[in-house]
Amino acid sequence: EAGVVQSPRYKIIEKKQPVAFWCNPISGHNTLYWYRQNLGQGPELLIRYENEEAVDDSQLPKDRFSAERLKGVDSTLKIQPAELGDSAVYLCASSLGGAGDREQYFGPGTRLTVT
Amino acid sequence: AQKITQTQPGMFVQEKEAVTLDCTYDTSDQSYGLFWYKQPSSGEMIFLIYQGSYDEQNATEGRYSLNFQKARKSANLVISASQLGDSAMYFCAMREGFSGSARQLTFGSGTQLTVLP
Repeated sequence: EAGVVQSPRYKIIEKKQPVAFWCNPISGHNTLYWYRQNLGQGPELLIRYENEEAVDDSQLPKDRFSAERLKGVDSTLKIQPAELGDSAVYLCASSLGGAGDREQYFGPGTRLTVT
Repeated sequence: AQKITQTQPGMFVQEKEAVTLDCTYDTSDQSYGLFWYKQPSSGEMIFLIYQGSYDEQNATEGRYSLNFQKARKSANLVISASQLGDSAMYFCAMREGFSGSARQLTFGSGTQLTVLP
């Protein structure tokens, strides 16, 4: 069974440029998460989707970050414009959702460097 | 206050020996779950073990076991018979709320484990 797929794995951009990350969750997983992991720290949640609905986006900086999950499967996270402080690893995770939901499965992440 | 505290930024262990990674947590919920994840240098977070707040037995998964002390709010990970491939960053995490409901994970700052040959 394929795991969570993310692309690109690495991205280097100049500040003020836009950037987008893509995530394909494990088949059948209804819940999708985007986390940001700064160097030397644990991941922090940005947004959580239940199917196509964003049910927790309280920690998403909405002035520059946006996300979508069309058709309740793939998801895209966008930053526009990027700032130097956005340099981090962006992790996507998925879980079954609903009754019995427990562990989250993570993708390999996208390492973003803003120069 | 930090919800998850990992006080050991780095740990060293000799190959084939056991090692304990510390984790303490803070919550007022009665229902919560505790997780340990491994993050090798490749970056992917790998799920290792889970302990529910109502579980009476300590969780075990192969060489991993979780030393759950509810009154002390600690959930230490024990790795037995360490292998070179165990060298990685280890994160303790907590999900507050009822089990079965999708909730965010709150992570600690991690412990970098190095296994020495």
